[in-house]
Amino acid sequence: GDSVTQMEGPVTLSEEAFLTINCTYTATGYPSLFWYVQYPGEGLQLLLKATKADDKGSNKGFEATYRKETTSFHLEKGSVQVSDSAVYFCALSDPGGTSYGKLTFGQGTILTVHP
Amino acid sequence: DAGVIQSPRHEVTEMGQEVTLRCKPISGHDYLFWYRQTMMRGLELLIYFNNNVPIDDSGMPEDRFSAKMPNASFSTLKIQPSEPRDSAVYFCASSRARGANVLTFGAGSRLTVL
Repeated sequence: GDSVTQMEGPVTLSEEAFLTINCTYTATGYPSLFWYVQYPGEGLQLLLKATKADDKGSNKGFEATYRKETTSFHLEKGSVQVSDSAVYFCALSDPGGTSYGKLTFGQGTILTVHP
Repeated sequence: DAGVIQSPRHEVTEMGQEVTLRCKPISGHDYLFWYRQTMMRGLELLIYFNNNVPIDDSGMPEDRFSAKMPNASFSTLKIQPSEPRDSAVYFCASSRARGANVLTFGAGSRLTVL
């Protein structure tokens, strides 16, 4: 079945440091890929997405490129801020068969940014 | 657009009591999802609906859990009887059938069973 694997956290960085959170996936079809972010005490919200191979999703300085050859969708940001402290979830949506409409999430990576 | 609305935001109850969590999805969304989040197990999909019909309830942990969607604007998740291990944050999310299937989440209902 479909699965998403994220790098284990937590990740602790200083402000303005470079961020990478690794994400790899397994899917039977041609999935869409997502990064969601969860701030303390809130629900998950979409950060960025990519729907086909080589697409790059970007938002708020974050980027991720859909790499079909390596089945990866790594999240990057060049200079993190304290306000980026949150839990980040990689997810996929497989449009094939009966799983249409369902998202499969990774386990989440906790990011803490210190001033 | 008020987003996905969940109630209650916090619920503290005693073991054996019935718990009902409520969700109002975004108008026009075809899919509704119930997720549970705990530190130990992360984010788990419990059940999801398409056009008010349950599609996949394989994530419902046991018969104590039930979910209904009587109309397009309302869903409930019920636990009866509740147990301490049910303590978690329960999220409702909705999405449209078309497009890249972006889910919009509610703020969650934090359940504590004593």
